[in-house]
Amino acid sequence: QLQLQESGPGLVKPSETLSLTCTVSGGSISHSRDYWGWIRQPPEKGLEWIGNIYYSGSSYYNATLKSRVTISIDTSKNQFSLKVNSVTAADTAVYYCVRPRDYAFDDWGQGTMVTVSS
Amino acid sequence: QSALTQPPSASGSPGQSVTISCTGTSSDVGGYNYVSWYQQHPGRAPKLMIYHVSERPSGVPDRFSGSKSGNTASLTVSGLQAEDEADYYCTSYAGSTNVYVFGGGTRVTVL
Repeated sequence: QLQLQESGPGLVKPSETLSLTCTVSGGSISHSRDYWGWIRQPPEKGLEWIGNIYYSGSSYYNATLKSRVTISIDTSKNQFSLKVNSVTAADTAVYYCVRPRDYAFDDWGQGTMVTVSS
Repeated sequence: QSALTQPPSASGSPGQSVTISCTGTSSDVGGYNYVSWYQQHPGRAPKLMIYHVSERPSGVPDRFSGSKSGNTASLTVSGLQAEDEADYYCTSYAGSTNVYVFGGGTRVTVL
């Protein structure tokens, strides 16, 4: 049973960089040749796709966030990561790591709340 | 503003059916058979209920069904049960530049 777990600071100051890591257990992040991704949900709002990364390192981003977002993968640690630069209050959200499969988001982490505030 | 349009709310009595629409464009919903639907209970992560417009993952009750006509996809929940009360989101693949777009979500209430 594949499990995904987000980790990282719950509070980030405005203009700084938000950094989160997703640790995958129950399967190899590289052997499965899957995509891995991030989705966020601001409080009381809907879901927003952030981006995906292929096990080989190719990445795809939401055009509205592309200039500030980087997703990377570390197959040796069975982890992938998200960085969002120059954050504002609008980046306050629950961040989910996901495994996209067959053009759907098959597996989800439990989510981690990140608040942007001074 | 979400890329896909969903009604904010829908409701039905136990045992009845409710249908949620998800309207996009020919660049997303209408252009690909890659619409999926997610159920989210308060404080929980979303759960995949339908993929490829109408396919159900293992374990999802057959009370949940999906369809598509043109630029609009739909999710129908038949035989409503109390545990179906949740938020439902649609998403569609939108090609190599936009990749994935979500709807704004629909809150389903079981009366």
